[in-house]
Amino acid sequence: GAVVSQHPSWVICKSGTSVKIECRSLDFQATTMFWYRQFPKQSLMLMATSNEGSKATYEQGVEKDKFLINHASLTLSTLTVTSAHPEDSSFYICSARLRGGGLDEQYFGPGTRLTVT
Amino acid sequence: QKEVEQDPGPLSVPEGAIVSLNCTYSNSAFQYFMWYRQYSRKGPELLMYTYSSGNKEDGRFTAQVDKSSKYISLFIRDSQPSDSATYLCAMSAGNNRLAFGKGNQVVVIP
Repeated sequence: GAVVSQHPSWVICKSGTSVKIECRSLDFQATTMFWYRQFPKQSLMLMATSNEGSKATYEQGVEKDKFLINHASLTLSTLTVTSAHPEDSSFYICSARLRGGGLDEQYFGPGTRLTVT
Repeated sequence: QKEVEQDPGPLSVPEGAIVSLNCTYSNSAFQYFMWYRQYSRKGPELLMYTYSSGNKEDGRFTAQVDKSSKYISLFIRDSQPSDSATYLCAMSAGNNRLAFGKGNQVVVIP
């Protein structure tokens, strides 16, 4: 149980284009999902918290107009990187909080590796 | 001072040995403590989830929390080559915000 999927697992795009990443909770409902970014040999950095049916809450320093988050249902959140640049290349990981689970009990997706050329 | 300190390693042990990992933290509001295992180019996998101080055991894994010392540990008994991964500690105050350690790379040598 508590499986989270992400799609795509990797993507290469040209500078200036937009990329959408999907995060799904497969066997549970997730009222809250989280988006993280991880650079090589670094820990996870929280980008934003996404609640179903409401606007995402972004961390300080994260541009909300560049990283668009939509949490349209209890099992799906999407992250769109708009006008991507090479410095946006990173490993993007989502997590979902298990509804009815322990507080802050988060399950992570497998990640999406974005490379912007 | 960072909220969570974790020695990145790497830590190499022979197969069958006990792996000992730990993290220290500075925020006394943290009450929920987790250990994640992350294989290369994969998302973190939740291994252990504990609340407040004490021990928790799950198979070959034991998590310990000492809130008075702001110190948490993960022990892996009878380590296997498949345990080779990066282990991340994480903790929170119950406010949806996880604070992660940098991760500790473990290599179990057959």
